[in-house]
Amino acid sequence: DAGITQSPRHKVTETGTPVTLRCHQTENHRYMYWYRQDPGHGLRLIHYSYGVKDTDKGEVSDGYSVSRSKTEDFLLTLESATSSQTSVYFCAISELDRDGIPYEQYFGPGTRLTVT
Amino acid sequence: GQNIDQPTEMTATEGAIVQINCTYQTSGFNGLFWYQQHAGEAPTFLSYNVLDGLEEKGRFSSFLSRSKGYSYLLLKELQMKDSASYLCAGYGDSGAGSYQLTFGKGTKLSVIP
Repeated sequence: DAGITQSPRHKVTETGTPVTLRCHQTENHRYMYWYRQDPGHGLRLIHYSYGVKDTDKGEVSDGYSVSRSKTEDFLLTLESATSSQTSVYFCAISELDRDGIPYEQYFGPGTRLTVT
Repeated sequence: GQNIDQPTEMTATEGAIVQINCTYQTSGFNGLFWYQQHAGEAPTFLSYNVLDGLEEKGRFSSFLSRSKGYSYLLLKELQMKDSASYLCAGYGDSGAGSYQLTFGKGTKLSVIP
């Protein structure tokens, strides 16, 4: 299994509080992703990173920010959590080959976040 | 970005064959992934098709027709442990010049005795 861990694995927080989720990899992959998964919506991309300090927005980025100061760590921050951000959050990593074709994405175990 | 469509649920009998279909819009498309996700777990990679045709991996096969915007995942000799959601994901231009995976909502497969 690819070396990806997420912390915390479960969190309950109150509306309006800041929350940071951490993704850590030991594979030295360049690309890292944050997704959320909700019933009826499937996996949706929040933000991704293509290198240290290089990040870009995904489909559902509003209300989220990210940072990547080291290859192995990708942080997702909810500046002021809302109930609509209650979800399961997955981190993923991948590489591209020399032609820009992606290898498969490996997913972390997920973080279940509840905002009350 | 891609618009990925797949059936919401399917039921099949242990030992049988099941085909899960996936359609997508072809503009900006580069390739198609299939993932398996058991309840409460992370998705795990099954297959990746870039070219037209059938890719076989043991009991699982995946087919792609780029001209028709169509793929399917074929599961043979179904086992109870195959009960899971199967996610179709298209890789292509998100429309903003970057390439991303766009996932379908997943097909929940139930295998019954």
